[in-house]
Amino acid sequence: GQSLEQPSEVTAVEGAIVQINCTYQTSGFYGLSWYQQHDGGAPTFLSYNGLDGLEETGRFSSFLSRSDSYGYLLLQELQMKDSASYFCAVRDSSGGGADGLTFGKGTHLIIQP
Amino acid sequence: AAGVIQSPRHLIKEKRETATLKCYPIPRHDTVYWYQQGPGQDPQFLISFYEKMQSDKGSIPDRFSAQQFSDYHSELNMSSLELGDSALYFCASSSQGAYGYTFGSGTRLTVV
Repeated sequence: GQSLEQPSEVTAVEGAIVQINCTYQTSGFYGLSWYQQHDGGAPTFLSYNGLDGLEETGRFSSFLSRSDSYGYLLLQELQMKDSASYFCAVRDSSGGGADGLTFGKGTHLIIQP
Repeated sequence: AAGVIQSPRHLIKEKRETATLKCYPIPRHDTVYWYQQGPGQDPQFLISFYEKMQSDKGSIPDRFSAQQFSDYHSELNMSSLELGDSALYFCASSSQGAYGYTFGSGTRLTVV
């Protein structure tokens, strides 16, 4: 089975930088994804790491260390609209076909002015 | 750009009734996924289809079934509804090899 651990809540100030960590235990590993979800909204894909290292997409970056079973999402220049829940997720099985994702419990990011 | 379309947006059913949720994936996406998300919970994978064939199965109750049709739309059928089935149900689609899934806006099911 798969399990992912991430903090339940993180608070940061507008304009600052915040890092959301994710550790995972999986029977197989086929990449770590990050999704953003606003209250009552749909999850939105942010980034994917299949290999070790940093992936940058605008204000968002994601990092993966497969040897440490660890990744993080970095959000820079925080804006009030970044207040949302952030989920890390891994593929659920063999990596072939239409594998479902197993999500972490989500991190509620609170942005203060 | 076209998104994943789900209908209905809201649905209220009584216990033991049946519900059908519909999903229309993004054109040319060949894979559809269904997820259930309870209040304050993470999305739980239910089932997926690739090219109209069931591909992967998660924590889908036996009371639920799903299929994908020739036009690639998918339906989730839920029978003998229970209070605990009240949740947001998301459909997502992707194309093979894509890293990210595109989620629809969800159907909020309330069982009373």
